Amino acid sequence: SQQGEEDPQALSIQEGENATMNCSYKTSINNLQWYRQNSGRGLVHLILIRSNEREKHSGRLRVTLDTSKKSSSLLITASRAADTASYFCATQTAGGTSYGKLTFGQGTILTVHP
Amino acid sequence: DAGVIQSPRHEVTEMGQEVTLRCKPISGHDYLFWYRQTMMRGLELLIYFNNNVPIDDSGMPEDRFSAKMPNASFSTLKIQPSEPRDSAVYFCASSFRSPVYNEQFFGPGTRLTVL
Repeated sequence: SQQGEEDPQALSIQEGENATMNCSYKTSINNLQWYRQNSGRGLVHLILIRSNEREKHSGRLRVTLDTSKKSSSLLITASRAADTASYFCATQTAGGTSYGKLTFGQGTILTVHP
Repeated sequence: DAGVIQSPRHEVTEMGQEVTLRCKPISGHDYLFWYRQTMMRGLELLIYFNNNVPIDDSGMPEDRFSAKMPNASFSTLKIQPSEPRDSAVYFCASSFRSPVYNEQFFGPGTRLTVL
């Protein structure tokens, strides 16, 4: 079963607007990562936030993590047409049989219109 | 660095045939992961290796699937016999040291179509 669930499933915005995607998960994590997938391509790592962190920035990306609510959000500011892609959250736990596993959500399809 | 290399990029085969997918991880990476992506089930981890040893194969759907990593620079995923429901994009990914804090680098994927 999927650990992370993204919301919304699809998001359509105009260039220049901000895009916010949310991710909820079920079990305790060591870190949460966000990946981007352009159509027909492999996934590309965007940003990683550890369980003891609350917010992280990378360029136009801002990620928050609320471990009490088991949720994370990815904000893309001043979106561009090139940001059009699917975005996935993935959680990692440490220890036990799931050590090192990445469990992905179903993804959010973002479309940025020029 | 060339990144994670997968071959073939596309494979079309008939039901019952054997299919072998290949992956070359990034040099120096000691973790290798095989994923499958479909519209219905999303991204699923099939199996992963650490230092060429399989660590968790609980995601392998059934005995028709097998994976090997004979050395640090090569891995295969084999399906025998293949079935139409195996049609999907198969990704290989690798990472360095403990993947607990490190990102995974994905290959471009192999799009498999079983007729």
